[in-house]
Parts: sequence; structure tokens; C-alpha cells
Amino acid sequence: GAGVSQSPRYKVAKRGQDVALRCDPISGHVSLFWYQQALGQGPEFLTYFQNEAQLDKSGLPSDRFFAERPEGSVSTLKIQRTQQEDSAVYLCASSSLLISRGSSYEQYFGPGTRLTVT
Amino acid sequence: AQRVTQPEKLLSVFKGAPVELKCNYSYSGSPELFWYVQYSRQRLQLLLRHISRESIKGFTADLNKGETSFHLKKPFAQEEDSAMYYCALSREYGNKLVFGAGTILRVKS
Repeated sequence: GAGVSQSPRYKVAKRGQDVALRCDPISGHVSLFWYQQALGQGPEFLTYFQNEAQLDKSGLPSDRFFAERPEGSVSTLKIQRTQQEDSAVYLCASSSLLISRGSSYEQYFGPGTRLTVT
Repeated sequence: AQRVTQPEKLLSVFKGAPVELKCNYSYSGSPELFWYVQYSRQRLQLLLRHISRESIKGFTADLNKGETSFHLKKPFAQEEDSAMYYCALSREYGNKLVFGAGTILRVKS
């Protein structure tokens, strides 16, 4: 089956513009995570959804960042008034809550969206 | 605070040589530890996790709680092992991940 998909793959925004990044998780996956990966660093947690409920948004760096998952599947990460420090790769990951051998709870990552703010 | 440290940015070895990618962590409880790998032009994927105690692609990692380490080892490196490797921890499997900065492994022929 299809893995996690993200769009767009690349986004160039001028400072001050708003952007919206989309994540399509694996069908049926209940959990969805967003991570931010700056150049030369490991991914850093932003926020977590279980179905449509945003259970943890402790990693969002400022109130310019907003995420939603209204129907418990597709999620959108929105960044308002982009700044240069927002330039990074934004990764989405999804996982199931099924307790079973092998891939239970494993986070499957998308290809990421590379955001460049000029 | 939770933290993962990977002291080497780059590790370069010859094919057939042993490999050890270092990972140290700080966490007040009992974390779950993982190694993720990203091959060129591919997405991040799980390599192995400490709780499964498996060997994947010849790699193993043992959790040493006394030294708070989770080093990744392989006795004989292969060229296809060249990739970026990230050590990560979570409070429990299925929870958010805290990643190290990553180590690039280059296996030379």
C-alpha cells in the first residue's frame, strides 16, 4: 500500500508569507506526528494527533505555527508570517495503535517538505 | 530533560571493517531506544529498537542503562550500509521521538 505522502515536496516562501503543508498518513493510522528538521540536525517534535484530537503541541515553536487534522486523516501544518528561521524540512509520520507483532506503534515517515524562506 | 547525543557527525570505514555508531542519552525514566536510518534519496525508516533485541541487516544495539548508551554495531561493514543514522528515544513505544543529530556512515571500497 501507499506510504505517508506529503505535499508540496518543496516550497519557497518570501518572509512574511503564510504557508500550508499537507500530510496524508497511511490509511487507518490513528496517530500522526509532525517534526521539524533544520539543516544538519535531527528531527524535532512539533505536534501529535490521535485521530482528530491534538494531544500534544508542546513542540510548536511559536503561535505562528498551527496544525489541524479535522477528520482524523489528512493533516495540515500552517505557518503564518514565515521567518527565515522557519526554513527546514518538515516531516510527517503516522502510526497505528494496533497491538501486534512487528510494526505496532512504529512511526512511518513521509518524504518531507523542504521549506525555504527567503 | 530528554536528550540524545551522537558525538560523531561522520564515520568513515572500509568495507569489511567493524562499525560502531555511538549514542548516549539522558532521560529520567526508562525510555525506549531506537535507531533510524535514511539512505540516499529515501525517507527515514526504523532500523531497530532495543525492546525487540533483533539483528537487522547485521546491525545490533544493546541498551546499557549504566552508561546510558545505545551504540549501534556491525561486525563487517558493507557499501550499502552508507547512510545517515539517527538514534532516538521515546517515553514509550508510540510516543513522540527525541532524535540525536545523526551520524553519516560512509563505507569505502
